[in-house]
Amino acid sequence: QKEVEQNSGPLSVPEGAIASLNCTYSDRGSQSFFWYRQYSGKSPELIMFIYSNGDKEDGRFTAQLNKASQYVSLLIRDSQPSDSATYLCAGAPYGNNRLAFGKGNQVVVIP
Amino acid sequence: DAGITQSPRYKITETGRQVTLMCHQTWSHSYMFWYRQDLGHGLRLIYYSAAADITDKGEVPDGYVVSRSKTENFPLTLESATRSQTSVYFCASSPWDGRAKNIQYFGAGTRLSVL
Repeated sequence: QKEVEQNSGPLSVPEGAIASLNCTYSDRGSQSFFWYRQYSGKSPELIMFIYSNGDKEDGRFTAQLNKASQYVSLLIRDSQPSDSATYLCAGAPYGNNRLAFGKGNQVVVIP
Repeated sequence: DAGITQSPRYKITETGRQVTLMCHQTWSHSYMFWYRQDLGHGLRLIYYSAAADITDKGEVPDGYVVSRSKTENFPLTLESATRSQTSVYFCASSPWDGRAKNIQYFGAGTRLSVL
């Protein structure tokens, strides 16, 4: 089964700290990975995508991909209260545009 | 407006009634998707479509019907609504190729309550 797992429970971080989220995937054929942010009552919105091993930075967000260990992570630097949301990890293991989503991790930034 | 729009945003219906949720996108994306999102289950794929007149089942297709006669529209029909279909439904689309391939863009969602 082509799964993406996000096992950590809700994450509380103080304002200004780094929030770290992890995601593992089962299908070695997956080539691309995505992080979506979903505010309560809203739809998912893309914040990062990564195709290559290593780090990809975009503003306060850094995505990390390690294909050998089959994990993807998202770092949020200088966390702000506006970062409080659920973060969904997704991979593309199917060979078409279908994605496999994790169940999400809730992040709460405490002022 | 450009983008992907869902209608209605909120719907209350009764058990046994037929309900159709609409999804319209203006990007000419090839792929379109229907998800439901429930607490504890995350996003679950109901149906998807690679192009007009091409549809395929996702993880939870039972009780749902889709059609795609035009690239821009992908309606989802609950033929006989059940309480277990109370959920938030999201439509998404993605382009066939290019750098943005695989990226899915979501509509605002439809909150459906079946009484």
